[in-house]
Amino acid sequence: AQSVTQLDSQVPVFEEAPVELRCNYSSSVSVYLFWYVQYPNQGLQLLLKYLSGSTLVKGINGFEAEFNKSQTSFHLRKPSVHISDTAEYFCAVMPGGYNKLIFGAGTRLAVHP
Amino acid sequence: GAVVSQHPSRVICKSGTSVKIECRSLDFQATTMFWYRQFPKQSLMLMATSNEGSKATYEQGVEKDKFLINHASLTLSTLTVTSAHPEDSSFYICSANPQGTYSNQPQHFGDGTRLSIL
Repeated sequence: AQSVTQLDSQVPVFEEAPVELRCNYSSSVSVYLFWYVQYPNQGLQLLLKYLSGSTLVKGINGFEAEFNKSQTSFHLRKPSVHISDTAEYFCAVMPGGYNKLIFGAGTRLAVHP
Repeated sequence: GAVVSQHPSRVICKSGTSVKIECRSLDFQATTMFWYRQFPKQSLMLMATSNEGSKATYEQGVEKDKFLINHASLTLSTLTVTSAHPEDSSFYICSANPQGTYSNQPQHFGDGTRLSIL
């Protein structure tokens, strides 16, 4: 079985500061990895994905994530956050060969002025 | 880009009412759509996989007779919450992949439906 752990339920940060949202997964098979963002009362928007190749993945809105197979992690980072980045962020895995997403519990990023 | 539309965005109704939620892929065809449920401040839980022209595949613990899914065309899947009760109140979100894409491609999500049962 696969599972996703987002270690921080909430991350407060000041505007223009760097941020890292942590994600660890467990799986007995290879997986594809995703980060999604959810704004209040909206669906999910894809930030970035790791399917194969380079372990450093760049996404939209200045976010990037690094796949670390040995540590089974896929942490999301941004060097300088904006107020508009305030949202819920979900890490998700898709087991290879299965078109199903398994989500972490989410991390609430709160950017303060 | 690929757009998925859900309707209605919000619905409030009395206990015992059946509620239908539509999920449409606006600019692509989708043989498979997914229905998720999200409780307040929690993650998304996959309820079922909707397959065009065949029966939906439900996740363990999801009542098939409670949550009826119909995927009658390549652009429309519906979720009907039958005889809804307050515990069915939740945020329901659908997603889809364009037909023919590899299974590892990210799903496109609708904006969700906030269901409140009084």
